[in-house]
Amino acid sequence: DTGVSQDPRHKITKRGQNVTFRCDPISEHNRLYWYRQTLGQGPEFLTYFQNEAQLEKSRLLSDRFSAERPKGSFSTLEIQRTEQGDSAMYLCASSRLASQANEQFFGPGTRLTVL
Amino acid sequence: AQSVTQPDIHITVSEGASLELRCNYSYGATPYLFWYVQSPGQGLQLLLKYFSGDTLVQGIKGFEAEFKRSQSSFNLRKPSVHWSDAAEYFCAVGGVSGTYKYIFGTGTRLKVLA
Repeated sequence: DTGVSQDPRHKITKRGQNVTFRCDPISEHNRLYWYRQTLGQGPEFLTYFQNEAQLEKSRLLSDRFSAERPKGSFSTLEIQRTEQGDSAMYLCASSRLASQANEQFFGPGTRLTVL
Repeated sequence: AQSVTQPDIHITVSEGASLELRCNYSYGATPYLFWYVQSPGQGLQLLLKYFSGDTLVQGIKGFEAEFKRSQSSFNLRKPSVHWSDAAEYFCAVGGVSGTYKYIFGTGTRLKVLA
């Protein structure tokens, strides 16, 4: 396994701009998750996909946030009209459908700074 | 409400000393339980997990954790801490209410004194 990869690793943007992050899961992992981690906090669940279907979304995922996984492989997370409160680390994770305890493997994260 | 509590925000230990990080969860049934470690600016690395069987589980880097159903706890331990263990540690639960998401505690930042 090459591990979960995320791009970019860092993103600085101005308030009001749109940003898009990409996550490449471990190959053959059917489930893909997005979490957000703010300073001094644990990761908070945003959404998850099973193959290309988005099966659960958190209330944290406002209308400005959208996530896709069009072919059941990589996923993108877009934030429109960014706000300073969106500044956080965005973590992606993946897991196999048949894994015991649904063990999730995390990527290195994308750190977003909104000025 | 369902929650994961890590009561210690910061812990400082001397190198070579023993370590115990606390984690309590609030759920009706026994969830899947995990401990992750995060170095500054990095993602999460799984240390160990529990889902059934022996309540004392061994992980990587010399860590172990004990599940105590009666106390709803899953505390992480290490008999002798190394300076490289300085990091943030997160307890997480999964498999709650039929969902696949994890719920994390707020983390414990470990500082190791030389």
